[in-house]
Parts: sequence; structure tokens; C-alpha cells
Amino acid sequence: GAVVSQHPSWVICKSGTSVKIECRSLDFQATTMFWYRQFPKQSLMLMATSNEGSKATYEQGVEKDKFLINHASLTLSTLTVTSAHPEDSSFYICSARGGLPGSWLEQYFGPGTRLTVT
Amino acid sequence: RKEVEQDPGPFNVPEGATVAFNCTYSNSASQSFFWYRQDCRKEPKLLMSVYSSGNEDGRFTAQLNRASQYISLLIRDSKLSDSATYLCVVNPGGAGKSTFGDGTTLTVKP
Repeated sequence: GAVVSQHPSWVICKSGTSVKIECRSLDFQATTMFWYRQFPKQSLMLMATSNEGSKATYEQGVEKDKFLINHASLTLSTLTVTSAHPEDSSFYICSARGGLPGSWLEQYFGPGTRLTVT
Repeated sequence: RKEVEQDPGPFNVPEGATVAFNCTYSNSASQSFFWYRQDCRKEPKLLMSVYSSGNEDGRFTAQLNRASQYISLLIRDSKLSDSATYLCVVNPGGAGKSTFGDGTTLTVKP
């Protein structure tokens, strides 16, 4: 149990385009989903927290108009990187939490999406 | 001071060695604690939750010391496959968000 999928696993796009990343909890209902970014050899950086049906809460310094998060259901959240630039190139990882008896605080991570903006 | 602090390492140990990592946290009201491992270019994976009484899973033992506000992870009989970055995670409970440490890198050598 506790499987989280992410799609696509990698994407290359041109500067100025938008990219949508999907995160799904496959076998449980996620009350909360998190989006992280990780640059090479650096630690995870939390970008935003989203609860189903609510607006996402963004961390300080993360532009909400650039990184659009939609949490439409208890099993799906999407992150759209709008007008991507080369500095947005990174490893984007989602995680989901909730719904598992006795372990609702444990976070389960998707496999990540490697974004390269050229 | 960071909310969650870990010794970044790297820890380089031979196969079969015992290695221990510590992690300190600043919020005394923290309720839940976890260890994750992250392999290079992969997502973090839950290794184990840390309970007040301590818990063991095979070669891995996790301990919590609330008085000193630290958690530890002990790995016995290290294997090459244990090479990874180990992340300490602290949660305040309720609907609070978890705070991740920056990780401790372990390399097990033949």
C-alpha cells in the first residue's frame, strides 16, 4: 500500500512554455499533498502544501502565480510551472499524506519529475 | 538555528560496521518522528517511524530522546546497499507540516 505516482517522470521543455506535473495517490486518499523541489546535492525544499478542495499554502519565496497547484480530489494534485525558465530546471517531488490507519502522518513520495528547461 | 539539524557527513564505513546518526530538533512540542532514506536521484522513502519506546526493524534501530530533543538511527552490519542519504523528519502533530533535515550521507565500502 501507500503508493504515489507522478507523471511525467522527466520532461524537457523550451523556455517560456508551461509544464504540468501530476501526482496521484494510487491506493489511499491523501488529505494533504506536498510539493518539493530539489537541486542536485541539495536538500528537499518544500514549495507548497495543499489540501483537497482548498487553496494551496505556499512557502515563503515561492511564487504562487508561477507554480500553480490544484488539488482537485483526494487522489490527485497537479503542479503547473508556468512560463518556465532554465533556472526552474530541477527535480520536483510530490508527497501525499493521510488515509492510512495509524500512520496518517507518514508521507509517501512520488518518484519525482526531472524538469529541464532549455 | 535550524528546526531540524543533522550531521551532513559523509560517513564512510566498511561493510559490516555499525554506524549511528543523530538528529536534533528545536520544537519541544514535536509529536512524530521519522527516518527516510533517499538514494541518489530518487525520491525519499520511509525507512521507519520513531516511537517513544524506541523501535527496531532488522538491522535498524531508532531511538527518541525527548528530554534532549534528539532522535537517532543505528545501522548494524552495514551493507553496500545501505549507502544513501538518511533524512530525519519531525512533525508537530495535528495537521502540521513535517520538517525535513538536510540529510546525512552514508557510504558503505567493501
